[in-house]
Amino acid sequence: KQEVTQIPAALSVPEGENLVLNCSFTDSAIYNLQWFRQDPGKGLTSLLLIQSSQREQTSGRLNASLDKSSGRSTLYIAASQPGDSATYLCAVNTDKLIFGTGTRLQVFP
Amino acid sequence: NAGVMQNPRHLVRRRGQEARLRCSPMKGHSHVYWYRQLPEEGLKFMVYLQKENIIDESGMPKERFSAEFPKEGPSILRIQQVVRGDSAAYFCASSPGVGRANTEAFFGQGTRLTVV
Repeated sequence: KQEVTQIPAALSVPEGENLVLNCSFTDSAIYNLQWFRQDPGKGLTSLLLIQSSQREQTSGRLNASLDKSSGRSTLYIAASQPGDSATYLCAVNTDKLIFGTGTRLQVFP
Repeated sequence: NAGVMQNPRHLVRRRGQEARLRCSPMKGHSHVYWYRQLPEEGLKFMVYLQKENIIDESGMPKERFSAEFPKEGPSILRIQQVVRGDSAAYFCASSPGVGRANTEAFFGQGTRLTVV
């Protein structure tokens, strides 16, 4: 059974710091992995999708890496801003998305 | 492309009533997924549907919950005889297919069900 874990559960940092959010999964037989952002009381916004054959994807200040063999992905956020405050979720795609419980990020000015 | 549309955004039901949640997938998407998010918890898979077929309902409670995705119209998640424990945010996602590494799922804004 696929299990997805995210560490840390919560993170509070000052503006400008570079951050690393971690995601691990138990079964490496995945098609891809997606990182999402969820603002309080809102839906999910897709940030990055990494295909199983890829090692990383970049979008602006975000960079996601994938090491399928070890069951790990990281989301790197450069030069964090208060607007980055949200919950970040990773999800692995087998025939459905299995989510981690998220990392709640707060970036203070 | 209007994205994944869910309605209503907020729904209040009394214990024992029925709740019907609707999800219209993105244009061109034939695969729909429903997830439930309890307060302060992560998203839990409920059911995966294609047009007119339930593919995987392993996350659905055995009683009172049902889902459909008819040939025409939105996908419906139906909860009969709601109880307070059903209060949660219900999210729908759609994708153009499965089994492909570039298949990306997109989510709606969710329906927040409150049972009073």
